[in-house]
This record gives sequence, structure tokens and C-alpha cells, in this order.
Amino acid sequence: ELKVEQNPLFLSMQEGKNYTIYCNYSTTSDRLYWYRQDPGKSLESLFVLLSNGAVKQEGRLMASLDTKARLSTLHITAAVHDLSATYFCAVDISGNDMRFGAGTRLTVKP
Amino acid sequence: NAGVTQTPKFQVLKTGQSMTLQCAQDMNHEYMSWYRQDPGMGLRLIHYSVGAGITDQGEVPNGYNVSRSTTEDFPLRLLSAAPSQTSVYFCASSYPPGAGANVLTFGAGSRLTVL
Repeated sequence: ELKVEQNPLFLSMQEGKNYTIYCNYSTTSDRLYWYRQDPGKSLESLFVLLSNGAVKQEGRLMASLDTKARLSTLHITAAVHDLSATYFCAVDISGNDMRFGAGTRLTVKP
Repeated sequence: NAGVTQTPKFQVLKTGQSMTLQCAQDMNHEYMSWYRQDPGMGLRLIHYSVGAGITDQGEVPNGYNVSRSTTEDFPLRLLSAAPSQTSVYFCASSYPPGAGANVLTFGAGSRLTVL
């Protein structure tokens, strides 16, 4: 059975701290996406990772992909309150079938 | 551009009733899909379409029907609603996967409650 596992599922951080969210998946894929969802809102694309070793950065967030380990990470540097949201990873299985992780609910406290 | 438009935003049904969730996009995207979002389970793919006249099942298709008569529209039908279908439904679209990355543009969501 295909699994996409994120951890942690809940993360409470202090502003200014660093942390990493992990996304493990159980199938072969070299395409992985990260999305952000604010409470009661829709999902927005954050990062697109299309090959082994891909690294993308936007502001305080950096995402990477290791296809051999079937692992993607989303690293948060010096967290600020505006980063509070739920973050999802999604693995592209076939180009048509996207499987999402359960999401990591991040809360950044002052 | 409106992007991906879903209607209705909220709906309450009784068990056994039928309804259609509407989804329209104005970006000329070939690929469209429906997901349901349940607490602790992320998003699960219900059905998808790679173009007009072509649909296929996703991870959780039972209890749902779809059709794709035009590029713009991709309605999701619940033929006989069940409480287990209480969820938030998202429609998403993108360019064909063959074009490179399959970055999804999501609608605002439709919250469905089945009593």
C-alpha cells in the first residue's frame, strides 16, 4: 500500500527557532510538491521538486528531495508568526495521481 | 482570471439525497481533479480527468460520479449521500503532466455535511 507520511503532524514553535518537517513516501517517484493551507482556506503551491537532490528556497522555507531515501524535508529558518499554517507534501505517482500526506499543522508563537 | 471556481461553498444533505458539486476553471487546463479532505487524512483523490471526455478513478471513487463534457467544467455527483461523505471537497486543475510539473491550482473548497 502506498504511504505518504509526514511528521510531525503538529508542531508548535517559538518565533526565531528552526525546525524541519519530514515527508517519507513508499513508492518510486521523482516528483514531489509542497503546499500550504491557511485555516479555512484552500491550498497554495509552495515548492516543486522534480529530481533527486532538488533544493528550493523561498524566504524562510527551504525544501529538498532525496528520491533514493524517498524523503523530502521542509526546513523552517527563524520562524515567524506568518508561517503558521498547515503544510502538505504530495507525491506524484503517475503524473495523474497525486498522493498527499496528512499535513503538518504549524503554530508559531511569539 | 477567476481560476478554479467551486459551488456551492456549503451544503447540508440528508442521507440518500443526491447533489452535484460544480467546478469550473478558466485557465484552459486539461487536467482536473476532485479531492476530499478529512481531519488527519490529508487530501485523497476521488476522480480525475486529463481532458474532455476522459475520466478515471482515484484513491476513493466509491459513491461519486464525474463527467467531463467540456475543458472548463468537471462536476462531481453524489448519487445517494451517506454520512461518511461528510467532508470538505476541493477541485483542482493543472496543465497536463507531460508539460512538466503537475502543479495544482485549487478551488476554495465545498464543505458538505450529510445528516
